[in-house]
Amino acid sequence: DQQVKQNSPSLSVQEGRISILNCDYTNSMFDYFLWYKKYPAEGPTFLISISSIKDKNEDGRFTVFLNKSAKHLSLHIVPSQPGDSAVYFCAANKGSARQLTFGSGTQLTVLP
Amino acid sequence: GAGVSQSPSNKVTEKGKDVELRCDPISGHTALYWYRQSLGQGLEFLIYFQGNSAPDKSGLPSDRFSAERTGGSVSTLTIQRTQQEDSAVYLCASSLVANEQFFGPGTRLTVL
Repeated sequence: DQQVKQNSPSLSVQEGRISILNCDYTNSMFDYFLWYKKYPAEGPTFLISISSIKDKNEDGRFTVFLNKSAKHLSLHIVPSQPGDSAVYFCAANKGSARQLTFGSGTQLTVLP
Repeated sequence: GAGVSQSPSNKVTEKGKDVELRCDPISGHTALYWYRQSLGQGLEFLIYFQGNSAPDKSGLPSDRFSAERTGGSVSTLTIQRTQQEDSAVYLCASSLVANEQFFGPGTRLTVL
């Protein structure tokens, strides 16, 4: 039972354009959401997060949007750069629980 | 050390053998987590240590899996009588603040 789903295993975008990565969740108890980025042979690195009391959080080229009614969040990268090519994982947790529940990841390729 | 380190980076073992995987968290981080990533899957939570509290073992898939954290620092994940389905990348993370988990590069375990 996947509580966090990333339905697109891969996405290709032209350099300079917008990348939109999507994530859906089923557990309404989740109240904190994170995006991690992972390069090959490295551990995931934290990118950006959002609390369920917000619907948008922005950090430079990265913006995360949360739609609680749809149980959907998305990560926007504008403008996309070749160095953004990596696997992006959506993650969530609830309340006092510290462990994260991850999606299966989306491989983003930014073409020069 | 600047980040979370894990050893070995790769481990190949025969079915039925025991393996030990090591994690050195970031100095001062009170929380330590183990996850695993099977091929094509997201990260799956295994176990969580917080200070001197009893660990949260709710993610361990079977009693062949165990983990220790000595002196509130280094952790060892032990898998007894390994099976082929144990093949995965085992990732360790540590944190000081809730929701900010820093990951190590992982140990790739292959069970033949």
